[in-house]
Amino acid sequence: DVKVTQSSRYLVKRTGEKVFLECVQDMDHENMFWYRQDPGLGLRLIYFSYDVKMKEKGDIPEGYSVSREKKERFSLILESASTNQTSMYLCASSLGTGTVGKPQHFGDGTRLSIL
Amino acid sequence: QKEVEQNSGPLSVPEGAIASLNCTYSDRGSQSFFWYRQYSGKSPELIMSIYSNGDKEDGRFTAQLNKASQYVSLLIRDSQPSDSATYLCAVSLDSGSARQLTFGSGTQLTVLP
Repeated sequence: DVKVTQSSRYLVKRTGEKVFLECVQDMDHENMFWYRQDPGLGLRLIYFSYDVKMKEKGDIPEGYSVSREKKERFSLILESASTNQTSMYLCASSLGTGTVGKPQHFGDGTRLSIL
Repeated sequence: QKEVEQNSGPLSVPEGAIASLNCTYSDRGSQSFFWYRQYSGKSPELIMSIYSNGDKEDGRFTAQLNKASQYVSLLIRDSQPSDSATYLCAVSLDSGSARQLTFGSGTQLTVLP
């Protein structure tokens, strides 16, 4: 089974802090994704990566950055946390080969509160 | 315009009934379709993948795909209270990267004992 592990289930930070969310997958997947999920807004893609050191912006990249130094690890960085970044953050991974989309497998999520 | 549409519900069915969840998509070139189940406070869990027209069955779940009509559905037979969750439809759109999925907003299902 695919295992996607997010470093924290719950996290509380203060406005202006730099926040790091870590995600590790154990299936040698090429693609990794960061989403946030808010009530009534569904899943929104922040950033994704299809290879080491590669990244692409999703639908809502403002206020976030990412890092992928190793294939198995994808980090989301909130450069200066703000209260409107309080949300559930979900990491996912998928196989990258071929032209047909593959399913994404999600971690347990990090519920982040910015005070 | 939303690219993947689902009825938000809530949808309520009695225990033992068939629950029918529907999803429509806008891109005719879409090739891959997925259903996820998400319990409250938890992350989405993949329950079905379907790539070809027709039906695909897995236990009590059946996914149905009709590319001509651009819809995909999920049937849950013999519904149980433990099936109460939000069901997300996800589609791999042909435009742009095949690696991305577009998710519907989800249908909330309640199975009444």
